[in-house]
Amino acid sequence: LAKTTQPISMDSYEGQEVNITCSHNNIATNDYITWYQQFPSQGPRFIIQGYKTKVTNEVASLFIPADRKSSTLSLPRVSLSDTAVYYCLVGDLRGGADGLTFGKGTHLIIQP
Amino acid sequence: ETGVTQTPRHLVMGMTNKKSLKCEQHLGHNAMYWYKQSAKKPLELMFVYSLEERVENNSVPSRFSPECPNSSHLFLHLHTLQPEDSALYLCASSQAGDRANEQFFGPGTRLTVL
Repeated sequence: LAKTTQPISMDSYEGQEVNITCSHNNIATNDYITWYQQFPSQGPRFIIQGYKTKVTNEVASLFIPADRKSSTLSLPRVSLSDTAVYYCLVGDLRGGADGLTFGKGTHLIIQP
Repeated sequence: ETGVTQTPRHLVMGMTNKKSLKCEQHLGHNAMYWYKQSAKKPLELMFVYSLEERVENNSVPSRFSPECPNSSHLFLHLHTLQPEDSALYLCASSQAGDRANEQFFGPGTRLTVL
């Protein structure tokens, strides 16, 4: 499995755009990049997934450069409720029942 | 609500007790998972069931015994646990064959072993 590296913590303010970058230098050809969000005492929640270039949904955008050795989760106009831990996962998703390997994640704190 | 429910939400047990955690998914998925989240540690995958068969067991001690009677239900039977087993136990489900492998997590059971 490709190892991921992301900042332990980040701070921002309400209304700002927040970008969390994840490094995955050993990403394999069949690997996808997935981001999950976790609030305290709750299970993680799927946010977004991509393979290359840019993916956008109603919650976030995911930017992946051509070499795919890193990715950036972008949260537009954050609010206090976006305070959570964000996990970057990299793995081969060829349709099996695969457990997810979580790292320590990035603890994002949004202040008023 | 994610479509995955877990009971109980909180559990306190002694080291000699036997208890079970229950998970139920209402999403029509065919794969279910148990994860453990200890304080200040990453989530750890414990067990994977696909089509009601166990396909992965990540070197989990035998005092944890999973059971998957059908595709909607998953149990984790606990016996003679240790205080270091205190953690948040999370159940998840997914549709094996779904390329995204998006997993839906339940709210977890907060377990305290005295």
